[in-house]
This record gives sequence, C-alpha cells and structure tokens, in this order.
Amino acid sequence: ETGVTQSPTHLIKTRGQQVTLRCSSQSGHNTVSWYQQALGQGPQFIFQYYREEENGRGNFPPRFSGLQFPNYSSELNVNALELDDSALYLCASSYRTGFSGANVLTFGAGSRLTVL
Amino acid sequence: AQKITQTQPGMFVQEKEAVTLDCTYDTSDQSYGLFWYKQPSSGEMIFLIYQGSYDEQNATEGRYSLNFQKARKSANLVISASQLGDSAMYFCAMREESGYSTLTFGKGTMLLVSP
Repeated sequence: ETGVTQSPTHLIKTRGQQVTLRCSSQSGHNTVSWYQQALGQGPQFIFQYYREEENGRGNFPPRFSGLQFPNYSSELNVNALELDDSALYLCASSYRTGFSGANVLTFGAGSRLTVL
Repeated sequence: AQKITQTQPGMFVQEKEAVTLDCTYDTSDQSYGLFWYKQPSSGEMIFLIYQGSYDEQNATEGRYSLNFQKARKSANLVISASQLGDSAMYFCAMREESGYSTLTFGKGTMLLVSP
C-alpha cells in the first residue's frame, strides 16, 4: 500500500503571495490533517478534513484554508503569505472510526515552505 | 499551560545502550492516547508506539517500550540497544478523546547515537 505523499517538497515564495500544497492520503484512509512545524518546534495542528468537510481547526487564521477531494486527497492553501509562515507543512491521514482506538496518523515527508 | 512537555532538548547515547526520553502530559480527559513519533532529517514523522489511557500494561514494540505512569502523567519512551539509525528527533504526542484524530505534540528531543 502507498503511504502519504506530498508535493512540492520545497518551495520559495515572497511575502503576500499565495501557495497551494498537495497531499495524497494513504489508501483506505478517510481523514486528512495538516500540521505546521516551525524550525525547532513540534508540529502544530492546522485543521482536519473528514468526508470533504472541515471538522476541526487549530489556532490558525482564515487565510489558511483547505480542501479534501472525493478520492481523499487534499490541498492546503495559504493566502497573503507572511514571513512567519516559513515552516515544514505536514499532511497526515488516518482511518476514522466511530469508537476510540489508537487511530494512528500516517504522515508524509512534508513540504518545506520558505517565505522571503 | 503546555499539554505535552519534553524537557530534554538533546540526548546522547552510545550504540547498544538503552536510553529513556522523557514526556509529561496534561489533560482533564479520562480517555486519551499517547504516541511517540520519530522524525529523521528527511522530515517524515514515523510512528513508533501507542499507549491508551486505559491500557494497564506498558506498550512495547520491538526495541521500543513506553513507561506509562498515569498518576504522574508521564509517558517516557525507552529505546533498548540503540542503533546509529536511531539518531533523529523524537516527539511525544497526545490525542484527547474530544479531539478525534488531532494530535498535540511536544517540542521534541534530539537523540544522537554514537559508535
């Protein structure tokens, strides 16, 4: 089975621009989450999508938005880029069940964004 | 207050020795899960081990074991027989039942294994 793949792996943007990052979920997974990892920090939850709808959001402004497609792939869009948006953006997929369990997140290798 | 605290920014260990990476957590949920992930320089987060709050026995996965002390709210990772390939960042994370699949991560511990 394929894992989580993300593209692009690296990109450079300038302040004020917009960026779209893409993620292909692991086969069989129906939930996708996005995390931002600044240098020297742990990942921080941005938002989560389940059945193509956002169903959880961290402390990020509305200029961070996303989409989940019927094939469970996903996009993260960031508008009006700021210098502090420079980070590794990680996509993670999982299979959400109706009862509690380990529900392990499978992560991709990330997209490293540099904002100049 | 931080939900996940990892107090060791860096740890050094010699090959074949055991090492313990510390993690304490804070939650008011009765049901929660604790995870450890490894992040090599490539960036991918690799799942290592999971412990549920109601699990009575400490989790083990090969060379990894989780020393779970619920009353002290600690979930330390023990790596036995360290290998050079274990050199990486290690993150402790918690999923609270109210947060579905959302994980809250600590700041991580950099482990360096020397020959």
